[in-house]
Amino acid sequence: AQSVTQPDIHITVSEGASLELRCNYSYGATPYLFWYVQSPGQGLQLLLKYFSGDTLVQGIKGFEAEFKRSQSSFNLRKPSVHWSDAAEYFCAVGAPMNNDMRFGAGTRLTVKP
Amino acid sequence: GAGVSQSPSNKVTEKGKDVELRCDPISGHTALYWYRQRLGQGLEFLIYFQGNSAPDKSGLPSDRFSAERTGESVSTLTIQRTQQEDSAVYLCASSLEQASYNEQFFGPGTRLTVL
Repeated sequence: AQSVTQPDIHITVSEGASLELRCNYSYGATPYLFWYVQSPGQGLQLLLKYFSGDTLVQGIKGFEAEFKRSQSSFNLRKPSVHWSDAAEYFCAVGAPMNNDMRFGAGTRLTVKP
Repeated sequence: GAGVSQSPSNKVTEKGKDVELRCDPISGHTALYWYRQRLGQGLEFLIYFQGNSAPDKSGLPSDRFSAERTGESVSTLTIQRTQQEDSAVYLCASSLEQASYNEQFFGPGTRLTVL
């Protein structure tokens, strides 16, 4: 079965600074990859997803992610963080062969003024 | 409504009591999922329903946990004889059908506290 690792439990960045959240997966083939965001008191919302094609994926709220097969990674990036981006971010991996999805443990983002 | 709804939003119970959590999926979504999110941890898959197929219960942590779904609508997650380690946020999600490429739409969750 596939698995996903988010190495950073908590990240703090200053408002206006760039952001990169790491996600590594384990799967024998190309998986489906997702990033979700969970704002305080809210359910998870899809930011972006990758299935195939262009490895740089654009999402909502100015986020992007890049699929790197050689590194088994799907890192989330944003060039300039806003205070409203403070939230929990989850990477998820879907396995085409078993219709299964696994979520990472999440990375909590704090934004300093 | 337009999104997934869950009730209650908060539930405080005493150890040993039974609780029922409710999820209303998006209309037309045949797949429904339950997850548990303990404080500071990721989402732990519990169970999913896909149409009229037998549910996948592989994630249920013990026989105290059970879930039902009526057709392609409401689902209830029942926890019997609650324990303190059951304290968590229980999230429900739905999608058009159960497939690993489908976006899951999440409800706001039910925060369960077992005293």
